[in-house]
Amino acid sequence: GAGVSQSPRYKVAKRGQDVALRCDPISGHVSLFWYQQALGQGPEFLTYFQNEAQLDKSGLPSDRFFAERPEGSVSTLKIQRTQQEDSAVYLCASSFSREETQYFGPGTRLLVL
Amino acid sequence: AQSVTQPDIHITVSEGASLELRCNYSYGATPYLFWYVQSPGQGLQLLLKYFSGDTLVQGIKGFEAEFKRSQSSFNLRKPSVHWSDAAEYFCAVGTAQGGADGLTFGKGTHLIIQP
Repeated sequence: GAGVSQSPRYKVAKRGQDVALRCDPISGHVSLFWYQQALGQGPEFLTYFQNEAQLDKSGLPSDRFFAERPEGSVSTLKIQRTQQEDSAVYLCASSFSREETQYFGPGTRLLVL
Repeated sequence: AQSVTQPDIHITVSEGASLELRCNYSYGATPYLFWYVQSPGQGLQLLLKYFSGDTLVQGIKGFEAEFKRSQSSFNLRKPSVHWSDAAEYFCAVGTAQGGADGLTFGKGTHLIIQP
């Protein structure tokens, strides 16, 4: 795989359900970022990992949002007790190091009913 | 905190005509600037980036952008657009080279190409 992959591509959840979104970064990329993109808006930063360490989670909108990257590769963004305002596209990006350009995956479109 | 303004929500250009998309940023130090393009259902693709040096930056697909510190601008240009350029364009600013602290994006400009 040459690029960042994300799964699922689409997710429909009932309000109150928990969801887990997966990101597979480019092999060898140390840095991994999650962004939230609401309809008609630009992406907004959620959180940043360097290897397995979560160095910045200042953008997570509430304590219902949780991200992990236990082995420094694949990352999962978990949203507990989903609300309608969580409906958005969730984008993952990775870079070789913190000094390098971020490359984005196709995103997961989450719809909470 | 940094911010990015893209004043034009929509722009319509005839195929073959020139294009300029505006981007203004706010940041206290030297910014690291990016333009990304997003096609429907696709992720963000990097068009070009400015870290330092020459203020006129060349990118992919025939795009270029010019960093003007005095105007806090980083406008994107293309001399002749193609129908395949129709997409959403995002300007972004980073506070570390490559944006390790997370990029701050503008709201985007939707480009429509008329035949």
